[in-house]
Amino acid sequence: AQSVTQPDIHITVSEGASLELRCNYSYGATPYLFWYVQSPGQGLQLLLKYFSGDTLVQGIKGFEAEFKRSQSSFNLRKPSVHWSDAAEYFCAVNSGAGSYQLTFGKGTKLSVIP
Amino acid sequence: DAGITQSPRHKVTETGTPVTLRCHQTENHRYMYWYRQDPGHGLRLIHYSYGVKDTDKGEVSDGYSVSRSKTEDFLLTLESATSSQTSVYFCAISAGTGTFTEAFFGQGTRLTVV
Repeated sequence: AQSVTQPDIHITVSEGASLELRCNYSYGATPYLFWYVQSPGQGLQLLLKYFSGDTLVQGIKGFEAEFKRSQSSFNLRKPSVHWSDAAEYFCAVNSGAGSYQLTFGKGTKLSVIP
Repeated sequence: DAGITQSPRHKVTETGTPVTLRCHQTENHRYMYWYRQDPGHGLRLIHYSYGVKDTDKGEVSDGYSVSRSKTEDFLLTLESATSSQTSVYFCAISAGTGTFTEAFFGQGTRLTVV
């Protein structure tokens, strides 16, 4: 069964600093990969997704993610964090091949110090 | 925002009582999902539907049932609520037009079982 690991439960960064959130997946083939963001009390919003092609994908709010097949990783990055980026971030996987299910990691909570 | 409405948004109920949560969509998407979100567990799939009257179990389906009598509505029922079902419940939809592209999430229902 596919699984998603987000090793960091909680990360704190200073405003203006760079950010990298880690995501590793376990699946035989190349799955479809997603990053979602959840602000407090809100639903989940899609930041970006990777299906195939260029391994560096750009998303909304200045986020990007890089797919590395050799490391089974899909890490999320942002060069300069804003206070409004404080939220919880979820990596998710879809196995493709006609599947319509998403498997989520446990999430990483981001705190931003002004 | 995707046209997804969850009701109620908040509910407190007593152990042993039945509870029904409703998800209504205006997007005419084929797939609908119910997830629960708990601290330290991320989002876990309870049940999903791939069409009217077509449903299937997810990862954590015990104690839950679902029904979909119309494309736009997906109901989640806790037949006899337990304290372990205290959680935030999210409905999601996806188009189901050939290949999974993304899922859109509702705002969530916070359920407390006392």
